[in-house]
Amino acid sequence: KQEVTQIPAALSVPEGENLVLNCSFTDSAIYNLQWFRQDPGKGLTSLLLIQSSQREQTSGRLNASLDKSSGRSTLYIAASQPGDSATYLCASRPSGTYKYIFGTGTRLKVLA
Amino acid sequence: NAGVTQTPKFQVLKTGQSMTLQCAQDMNHNSMYWYRQDPGMGLRLIYYSASEGTTDKGEVPNGYNVSRLNKREFSLRLESAAPSQTSVYFCASTTTNTWTGGLDGYTFGSGTRLTVV
Repeated sequence: KQEVTQIPAALSVPEGENLVLNCSFTDSAIYNLQWFRQDPGKGLTSLLLIQSSQREQTSGRLNASLDKSSGRSTLYIAASQPGDSATYLCASRPSGTYKYIFGTGTRLKVLA
Repeated sequence: NAGVTQTPKFQVLKTGQSMTLQCAQDMNHNSMYWYRQDPGMGLRLIYYSASEGTTDKGEVPNGYNVSRLNKREFSLRLESAAPSQTSVYFCASTTTNTWTGGLDGYTFGSGTRLTVV
């Protein structure tokens, strides 16, 4: 059974820092992995989707990498801003299934 | 360009009451999902519908029923609400083309905040 873990659970950094959020999954046989952002009291917004055949995806200041063999994905945020403060969730979709398994998220606070 | 629409956004129920949460998507997605989100528990799958005409249980199906009314709509019903069902409920959809390995990710609705007293 796929399990997804995110470390750290919470992170507080000063504005301008580059930071890395980690996601690990137990079953490397996945279709893809998706990173989401969730603001307090809001829904989930998709940030990046990495297919199993890809190593990374980039969108603006965000870069997500995928290493299936080690069961790990990282979300890199460059030059963090207070507006980046949110909870970040990763979810993997195991091969042969129709559903994503979610981690419990990393709560990020960027201090001005 | 609505994406996934959930109604209602907020609801308060008394224990034992019933209600239906509605979800509709306009992206021609074939798969739809209901999740609940609780503090410290993350997102847990209640039910999903891989395609029109099919539904399957997720991790936490007890106390819920679902109906895939057509390709666009997927409803979640609480027959007899309990305080343990106080949560935020999210609907999501995606396209699952198995031959491509699932090219699309999830699109989520904005959620329904349900309180059972």
